[in-house]
Amino acid sequence: NAGVMQNPRHLVRRRGQEARLRCSPMKGHSHVYWYRQLPEEGLKFMVYLQKENIIDESGMPKERFSAEFPKEGPSILRIQQVVRGDSAAYFCASSPQRGLNTIYFGEGSWLTVV
Amino acid sequence: TQLLEQSPQFLSIQEGENLTVYCNSSSVFSSLQWYRQEPGEGPVLLVTVVTGGEVKKLKRLTFQFGDARKDSSLHITAAQPGDTGLYLCAVPEGETSGSRLTFGEGTQLTVNP
Repeated sequence: NAGVMQNPRHLVRRRGQEARLRCSPMKGHSHVYWYRQLPEEGLKFMVYLQKENIIDESGMPKERFSAEFPKEGPSILRIQQVVRGDSAAYFCASSPQRGLNTIYFGEGSWLTVV
Repeated sequence: TQLLEQSPQFLSIQEGENLTVYCNSSSVFSSLQWYRQEPGEGPVLLVTVVTGGEVKKLKRLTFQFGDARKDSSLHITAAQPGDTGLYLCAVPEGETSGSRLTFGEGTQLTVNP
């Protein structure tokens, strides 16, 4: 039973490029969450999605960041025109239902902007 | 101001010692979770506490939720090198407490052999 799968695990982008991070939730999970962990900071919530719907995007930066969770395929976190401050670990988590008592995190995608 | 204050920020001890780390807030929560995160990996849920005063045990780890549901502690007995990691507390927030977790900044524990 595979866990939450994230790819790529490591991504290097030049300033101004786009970054796409993918997350495949655990089998049977239809709720996906994205978190960001900046160097020397804690995990910060970004967005919560349920198949084809954004439920809570209160933690998403207003510009350059977007997320989707299509009916088929993985959830994608997209960062346009990356800047050095976007360098961080991005974690995806999934749960089988609304509520956070059974939530599983992926191993993260480390984005480095040079 | 952090919603959750974790202390100590760093802790380095010898194998076999006992330790306690804390998660404090001025807010009341419906539940609280503890996670452990190892370098290069995602956080792993250890426990969820729900009732004020609740105590849960996971092998050598004992978790307690404060009576007023504002704070929590994690006690490790006879620590081992495998316990090394970042310990994070988190509380659910958002509509019906179902949409997002707010994390503390963690306690980085190092257990030396």
